[in-house]
Amino acid sequence: EAGVAQSPRYKIIEKRQSVAFWCNPISGHATLYWYQQILGQGPKLLIQFQNNGVVDDSQLPKDRFSAERLKGVDSTLKIQPAKLEDSAVYLCASSPEGTGLGAFFGQGTRLTVV
Amino acid sequence: GEDVEQSLFLSVREGDSSVINCTYTDSSSTYLYWYKQEPGAGLQLLTYIFSNMDMKQDQRLTVLLNKKDKHLSLRIADTQTGDSAIYFCAEIHTGKLIFGQGTTLQVKP
Repeated sequence: EAGVAQSPRYKIIEKRQSVAFWCNPISGHATLYWYQQILGQGPKLLIQFQNNGVVDDSQLPKDRFSAERLKGVDSTLKIQPAKLEDSAVYLCASSPEGTGLGAFFGQGTRLTVV
Repeated sequence: GEDVEQSLFLSVREGDSSVINCTYTDSSSTYLYWYKQEPGAGLQLLTYIFSNMDMKQDQRLTVLLNKKDKHLSLRIADTQTGDSAIYFCAEIHTGKLIFGQGTTLQVKP
């Protein structure tokens, strides 16, 4: 079974530029998550989708971050414009029908904003 | 609040047992999880425990759950150098999967 795929693996941009990350969850998984992990911290949930609907986006900085999940499968996370403090690893995860059996993570995208 | 708390660092000698502790917040959490993160990698689900269980054993891993104190622990028997990583405790809080800040496990040869 293929795992959660994310791209790109690494991205370096200047502040005020835009960036987008892509995630392809495990086939059949209804729930998709985007987490931000700043160095030395635990993952912080940015947004959680159930199929193509948003379950929670309370910690998503909506003035600069946006996310969508087209047709309940792939998802993109965008930052526009980026700030220095957005430097982090962005992790995508998916789980089957709710989170009872745990979420499965991709390798993440390491973003550096200079 | 929704903080899941863990001690930040644990150092053990190879062959010893490691015990990583976690305090969670939501007494109604139905599942609790332990994840492992190696350098430069994503999070790997190690094990989970259902809230109606007190203990779960899976090879070298033992999870203990004290619901009264909202305390979760992960014991790794015969710790190996390959177990060196960051370990995260996670709970489902108001439908969201919330992580602690992670415990760095250092295994000395």
